[in-house]
Amino acid sequence: QVQLVQSGTEVKKPGSSAKVSCKTSGDTFSSHGISWVRQAPGQGLEWMGGIIPVFGITNHTQRFHGRVTISADKSTTTAYLELTGLRSEDTAVYYCAGVKLLCTGGSCFSVYDYFDSWGQGTLVIVSS
Amino acid sequence: EIVLTQSPATLSLSPGERATLSCRASQSLNTFLAWYQHKPGQAPRLLIYDASTRASDTPARFSGSGSGTDFTLTISSLEPEDFAVYYCQQRNNWQFTFGPGTTVDIK
Repeated sequence: QVQLVQSGTEVKKPGSSAKVSCKTSGDTFSSHGISWVRQAPGQGLEWMGGIIPVFGITNHTQRFHGRVTISADKSTTTAYLELTGLRSEDTAVYYCAGVKLLCTGGSCFSVYDYFDSWGQGTLVIVSS
Repeated sequence: EIVLTQSPATLSLSPGERATLSCRASQSLNTFLAWYQHKPGQAPRLLIYDASTRASDTPARFSGSGSGTDFTLTISSLEPEDFAVYYCQQRNNWQFTFGPGTTVDIK
């Protein structure tokens, strides 16, 4: 069972940066990619981007281009989301979510199409 | 980018009633579509993947169907704990997208 435990609430000033962590259990990094999904107040779920540590691949939506950095520390099996240039519209709950690697014959070449595990969410408040 | 639309936006029903939620994709997804349940203050929960396969802890009253561009999530008889927001989701070329959600609330 994959477990994802996120860091706590952050309150930030406009223009500053926030860095949210997602500590994973056991050998999650060898079996899963980690994505970041956010939900602003009154809004739906929005995928921001993700990382697949085994492949060394990161990607993100164009909407956050230039403002988002997604990284992973294999030594601590922790994934990170950093969002810069914060504005009030970035106030949201940020979730990390696990997507299982698709493997055959001991080799992994893709990911499944759905998130089978979720962190508890981290509230980021951007306010002056 | 593949766009998902969900209908209706809100479904007002009573416990015991049947709920039918729709998700439509702007391009064919084959059967690569998932459904999630989301309640306030909780993380989203995977219900259905590959359009019709229930996740390990999903009750049998939830069923998914469809392929191509049109998909349906059906809750055969609503339990009190089923009132929530439901999202469909797809992956294409390393990009994931969610639909806008359908709120199932108590009538």
